[in-house]
Formats: sequence, C-alpha cells, structure tokens
Amino acid sequence: GAVVSQHPSWVICKSGTSVKIECRSLDFQATTMFWYRQFPKQSLMLMATSNEGSKATYEQGVEKDKFLINHASLTLSTLTVTSAHPEDSSFYICSAEGRRGYEQYFGPGTRLTVT
Amino acid sequence: LAKTTQPISMDSYEGQEVNITCSHNNIATNDYITWYQQFPSQGPRFIIQGYKTKVTNEVASLFIPADRKSSTLSLPRVSLSDTAVYYCLVGDRQTGGGNKLTFGTGTQLKVEL
Repeated sequence: GAVVSQHPSWVICKSGTSVKIECRSLDFQATTMFWYRQFPKQSLMLMATSNEGSKATYEQGVEKDKFLINHASLTLSTLTVTSAHPEDSSFYICSAEGRRGYEQYFGPGTRLTVT
Repeated sequence: LAKTTQPISMDSYEGQEVNITCSHNNIATNDYITWYQQFPSQGPRFIIQGYKTKVTNEVASLFIPADRKSSTLSLPRVSLSDTAVYYCLVGDRQTGGGNKLTFGTGTQLKVEL
C-alpha cells in the first residue's frame, strides 16, 4: 500500500515551452502533497505544499507563476513548469501525506531536461 | 524545524553493521526523528521513525539517547544494495497534516565487497 506514482518519469523539452508533471497517490487519498526539486548531488529542496481544493503554498524563493501547482482531487496533484529554461533542468519529486497525516510517501521522481 | 548534522559520507563492506549518527541539538519536545533512504534518480524511501530510546523494524534500528540531541541509524549486515544516501529529519509529527520535511545534506553510504 501507499504507492505514489509520477508521470512522466523523464521529459526533455525545448526552452520556452511548458511541461506538466503528474503526481498520483494510487491506493490512498492525500489531502496534502508536496513538491521537491533536487539538483545533482544535492539534497531535496521543498518547493511547495499542495492542498486539495485550495491554492498551493510556496516556499520562499520559488516563483508561483513559474511553477503552477494544481491539486484538483484527493489523488492527483500536478506541477507545471511554465516557460522552462535550462536552469529548470532538475529532478522533481512529489510526496503525499498518508491517512495519519505524518507519514509521507514519495514518488519515483521526474527528470526534466530543458534544452 | 531543528537543524541536523550528519557525516557527508561513510564507507563499509558487505556483512558489516553500519551506524550513522545524526546530531540535532535543537530538537523540540514534540519533534520526531525520521530516516529516509534515497537511491540515485529515485524518490526517498521511509526507513524508520522514533521519538526516544530504541525502535527496531525489519530493516534497521534507531537509537535515541535520553537527551535526544542525537540519534543513530543502525543497519545490520549491509549489502551492496544498501549503497545510498541516508537522510535524518527532525520535525513535529502533526496528525492534522501539512508536515513539511526539511532535508539536510544526508550521508552517502558506500558498501563494497
């Protein structure tokens, strides 16, 4: 149980285009999901907290107009990287909170490369 | 959120016990200690969580002294497949949700034959 999936697992896009990444909790409902970014050989950095039915909460320094988050259902949150640039190339990971609230289950990550 | 300090890297050999210590001098009364494992190009995987004394599950043990200013993750008889980055996290375990996790630098464990 408690499986989180992400789609796509990797994506290459051209500079200036937008890319949507999906995060799904497969066998449980998640009111809260989180989005992280991880650069090579670095730790995970929290980007935003995604709440079902309400606006996402972004961490300081994360551009909310560039990284659009939508949490339309209890099993799906999406992260859209708008007008992507090469510096947005990174590993994007989502997590979903379990039923008890303090358990987080991580997705496998999405590798984004912007050319 | 309490800051954590871990060794950047550790080396071990197959079959040995590995102990990774994490310092968290500013841990708060309500904070729990959680360890995650991450393989390259994968999301972190929960290993173990504890509040005090000792916690053991099928993959690891977590030792927490009485002052809770540090904790030690113990991996018994490691194998090559345990080569990964291990993160120690400290934070309040709110049952209401919204528990933001702050990842530190982690410890890169390398297991050799």
